[in-house]
Amino acid sequence: NAGVTQTPKFRILKIGQSMTLQCTQDMNHNYMYWYRQDPGMGLKLIYYSVGAGITDKGEVPNGYNVSRSTTEDFPLRLELAAPSQTSVYFCASTTSGRGSGETQYFGPGTRLLVL
Amino acid sequence: GDSVTQMEGPVTLSEEAFLTINCTYTATGYPSLFWYVQYPGEGLQLLLKATKADDKGSNKGFEATYRKETTSFHLEKGSVQVSDSAVYFCALSGPRGNNRKLIWGLGTSLAVNP
Repeated sequence: NAGVTQTPKFRILKIGQSMTLQCTQDMNHNYMYWYRQDPGMGLKLIYYSVGAGITDKGEVPNGYNVSRSTTEDFPLRLELAAPSQTSVYFCASTTSGRGSGETQYFGPGTRLLVL
Repeated sequence: GDSVTQMEGPVTLSEEAFLTINCTYTATGYPSLFWYVQYPGEGLQLLLKATKADDKGSNKGFEATYRKETTSFHLEKGSVQVSDSAVYFCALSGPRGNNRKLIWGLGTSLAVNP
């Protein structure tokens, strides 16, 4: 199992540009999450999904959109990038099965710089 | 609402020193408790967890005990190594119906000097 994979690893965007951060998991997990981590700070939840076709907002959804057309993929879309979106983005997933203790499995992250 | 409070960092230790990183929580019900570790330039990975009161999670020489009476889950290691330098996050599972979201502490940075 590759676990949770994210692409790209690093990207520089100009203000106003758009991009999609890709996230794929091969563990057949129903639940998936997008976080951002600003320098020296903790994690903030952007969006999450409880299964294909179902998504919901987290703490900091403004400026982002998501979709979940398959169990495996959970892309995060940035429209009209702003310097405030400079951050490291992590995707995570967890199973809906019992006994998992809600352990979340993380991807390696995408470092985004908006100039 | 539910919350996690971690001791602030950075924590700087010499190699072979004893480590304690405090974590206390506020929660309804009986959450699971987690410690995650983030090595420089990497994503978070589960270090250990405990799913009920008095459980002890352990991994790589780290330990933490789920103390319901003191609502704590302090992380300890008897002898740290330079390779333990990382950011450590305490987290708890949210209440039922919370869609398996975790509630995170702010993280504690640990630097171990040789």
